Amino acid sequence: QVQLVESGGGVVQPGRSLRLSCAASGFTFSSYAMHWVRQAPGKGLEWVAVISYDGSNKYYADSVKGRFTISRDNSKNTLYMEVNSLRTDDTALYYCARVMVDLGVAATNDAFVMWGQGTMVTVTS
Amino acid sequence: SYVLTQPPSVSVAPGQTAKITCGGNNIGSKSVNWYQQKSGQAPVLVVHDDSDRPSGIPERFSGSNSGNAASLAISTVEAGDEADYYCQVWDSRGDHWVFGGGTKLTVL
Repeated sequence: QVQLVESGGGVVQPGRSLRLSCAASGFTFSSYAMHWVRQAPGKGLEWVAVISYDGSNKYYADSVKGRFTISRDNSKNTLYMEVNSLRTDDTALYYCARVMVDLGVAATNDAFVMWGQGTMVTVTS
Repeated sequence: SYVLTQPPSVSVAPGQTAKITCGGNNIGSKSVNWYQQKSGQAPVLVVHDDSDRPSGIPERFSGSNSGNAASLAISTVEAGDEADYYCQVWDSRGDHWVFGGGTKLTVL
């Protein structure tokens, strides 16, 4: 079954850290660039980060640069996001998403054709 | 950074055509993707590369892009089309991916 399943979210205090995971199945994970997108409660979609097929290229939204780190383990078909120095405005549902074409490179206009169901991160004191 | 502007809401009667716009500086030079997000669900890609539909998306969904505005049209609107719709582009200048603020489509 072709799917993405996120995990690792939770309730944390400001300044703490979490590691989000996205387990992929049903396709050749190592051939695709992967993205993280988040959605604050009642708000719109916000792109967070992207990683190329082999992990060699990564790009981040300005709002998370220096605090979040995207990575992947192709042997485990899993995408990760280390989220550090969490702030209350990081509270959101975090989705992983796969692009349409297995070009592998990160920097393309390729659309996000597959999405997981998301993992919720709540930052509160 | 590149900004995409969508109307917060659009209302349409069943059977009519809904048009959702997405404004951006010279957006016609970029490739626009559109996503549908129903309440409590993950987004679904409905149009990519301005006007192409992924497999499984009805022909009722169509897109266009020119100048400073892109648009998504949904013909013969059904109650099941009620959702939030987001446009998206890749800003190659900063290697950022940008979403519009979203448009809530209400079927009257």
